[in-house]
Amino acid sequence: GENVEQHPSTLSVQEGDSAVIKCTYSDSASNYFPWYKQELGKRPQLIIDIRSNVGEKKDQRIAVTLNKTAKHFSLHITETQPEDSAVYFCAASTTGGSYIPTFGRGTSLIVHP
Amino acid sequence: NAGVTQTPKFQVLKTGQSMTLQCAQDMNHEYMSWYRQDPGMGLRLIHYSVGAGITDQGEVPNGYNVSRSTTEDFPLRLLSAAPSQTSVYFCASRTSGSYEQYFGPGTRLTVT
Repeated sequence: GENVEQHPSTLSVQEGDSAVIKCTYSDSASNYFPWYKQELGKRPQLIIDIRSNVGEKKDQRIAVTLNKTAKHFSLHITETQPEDSAVYFCAASTTGGSYIPTFGRGTSLIVHP
Repeated sequence: NAGVTQTPKFQVLKTGQSMTLQCAQDMNHEYMSWYRQDPGMGLRLIHYSVGAGITDQGEVPNGYNVSRSTTEDFPLRLLSAAPSQTSVYFCASRTSGSYEQYFGPGTRLTVT
């Protein structure tokens, strides 16, 4: 089955800095890569996703890049703000069949004002 | 729409007790899943369903049962609670037309 590794487990930055979270996956058949944000005590929510037919996707201050050859993808947050503080999860899956994503272990991002 | 709802929000059980965690969605989503979240372990899939009457095991199914008699409801049963089942449990659903998963608010379970 799929195995998703996520690094770092904790990331501390100053407000205004950029943050990068990296994930690797093992199954070359995976073609859908979502990122979820979970604020303290809340439920995970989708913030951005990318499919294997594109290399990069941006949405305001967040972007995701994908390297299918190397089997890794990354989340980039620019101009971080305190409200970006949360746990971020990457996931990987195939879009066929029942689509069951495998999640990484999460990255706790702390943005210091 | 209420989205995905879960009850209870908190529960404390003694070892050996059984209970059912409730999950319901009012979005007519075909797919529903149960995850457990433990510190440093991410979200691990327990069981999932692709439609009423169809369920399958995920990564960590031991000690849990599910059924899906209606599209709306997907209860998770703990047969004989163990301290290793202390966790936060999330239910999620999605429609066949999208890959976005909608999570419920979670149930925090403690087994003593």
